[in-house]
Amino acid sequence: LAKTTQPISMDSYEGQEVNITCSHNNIATNDYITWYQQFPSQGPRFIIQGYKTKVTNEVASLFIPADRKSSTLSLPRVSLSDTAVYYCLVAVNAGGTSYGKLTFGQGTILTVHP
Amino acid sequence: DVKVTQSSRYLVKRTGEKVFLECVQDMDHENMFWYRQDPGLGLRLIYFSYDVKMKEKGDIPEGYSVSREKKERFSLILESASTNQTSMYLCASSSSGTSVRNEQFFGPGTRLTVL
Repeated sequence: LAKTTQPISMDSYEGQEVNITCSHNNIATNDYITWYQQFPSQGPRFIIQGYKTKVTNEVASLFIPADRKSSTLSLPRVSLSDTAVYYCLVAVNAGGTSYGKLTFGQGTILTVHP
Repeated sequence: DVKVTQSSRYLVKRTGEKVFLECVQDMDHENMFWYRQDPGLGLRLIYFSYDVKMKEKGDIPEGYSVSREKKERFSLILESASTNQTSMYLCASSSSGTSVRNEQFFGPGTRLTVL
């Protein structure tokens, strides 16, 4: 059974770089990989997406290897305000079509300590 | 500013009650979603609607139904609430298509407790 898996939790300190990896071994061929961030008492919000190699925006970087079976969200120099839950979202193969079924990972609780 | 609103932030119901959770979006989006969020399980899709009066079952539709009579409104219905439906419920919307590229905009969630 195809699964989209992430570490349940991670701890870091202010100023460090944090890397969160999502494994998605049955990702659909033609779709992207997206990451969302969720603060307490709020719904998730989009932070970054990519298809292959590396994508960078003002918030994060996303690294995707050639086989696309995993992706790594990188948060540079985290601060206390980066404490949140981070979800990957991919489409997994379903029924032999190029576009698959949207599936969130279980979420990674990132706690940034002073 | 885009907005997805949910009718209640907190709701307490009794076992066997019929429960309605309402979601409204102001972005003219075709797609609307209902998710359930539980610790360690992440976001699990209950139902998805890609157009008015259209719906598709997600991963965990049992015990739930949905209604979409207008484009901006998507309702989740618990016909007979049970304690194992105590959870956080999140509504989202996105533009048409089933691609991950279509950013999903989420509401703030409804924390439902069934006693």
